[in-house]
Amino acid sequence: GQQLNQSPQSMFIQEGEDVSMNCTSSSIFNTWLWYKQDPGEGPVLLIALYKAGELTSNGRLTAQFGITRKDSFLNISASIPSDVGIYFCAGGPGSNYKLTFGKGTLLTVNP
Amino acid sequence: DSGVTQTPKHLITATGQRVTLRCSPRSGDLSVYWYQQSLDQGLQFLIQYYNGEERAKGNILERFSAQQFPDLHSELNLSSLELGDSALYFCASSVAGLYNEQFFGPGTRLTVL
Repeated sequence: GQQLNQSPQSMFIQEGEDVSMNCTSSSIFNTWLWYKQDPGEGPVLLIALYKAGELTSNGRLTAQFGITRKDSFLNISASIPSDVGIYFCAGGPGSNYKLTFGKGTLLTVNP
Repeated sequence: DSGVTQTPKHLITATGQRVTLRCSPRSGDLSVYWYQQSLDQGLQFLIQYYNGEERAKGNILERFSAQQFPDLHSELNLSSLELGDSALYFCASSVAGLYNEQFFGPGTRLTVL
């Protein structure tokens, strides 16, 4: 089946630093989504990308849909303590089912 | 708040038992998805329903079943429970259409003792 490789697995940064994480796949996806999950809570949708090459921002978050359609990147600028959590990428096939999720990046922000 | 509700929040039961998890999608969403999240497996897609009908199946065990009712709420039934079934179970919903945006509920934490 389709698999996503998400990296890094974890990050420890200082408040105010910028963060980058990415997802790669051997398969093409038509949609890339980025979610954040706080401990014991459900994943929350941060950004959705629909076109190869697309760059989309949501506040301090910016995500890009790779032009090969096999990868996506998420950047967080000027991190703050509430950015702590697990960030998941997910790839979609273009129809309304079966998102494939990466294993997540655990972000820790030291104040 | 995503608008997706799940009950119960926590469930503790014994091996061999059967439980039912309940999900109400966001208003207007026709699709419901069930996921299992355990520490070592990440988010695993189990099954999707669209407007009452099964649309897609993932890694769902034969001991597990689901259905979506006419009012669009969904139930996930887990039977002959094993210790390894302990996990967080999430429901997500989306509108029918071209895109894949799924909105997750708060989850049910199942502990099998």
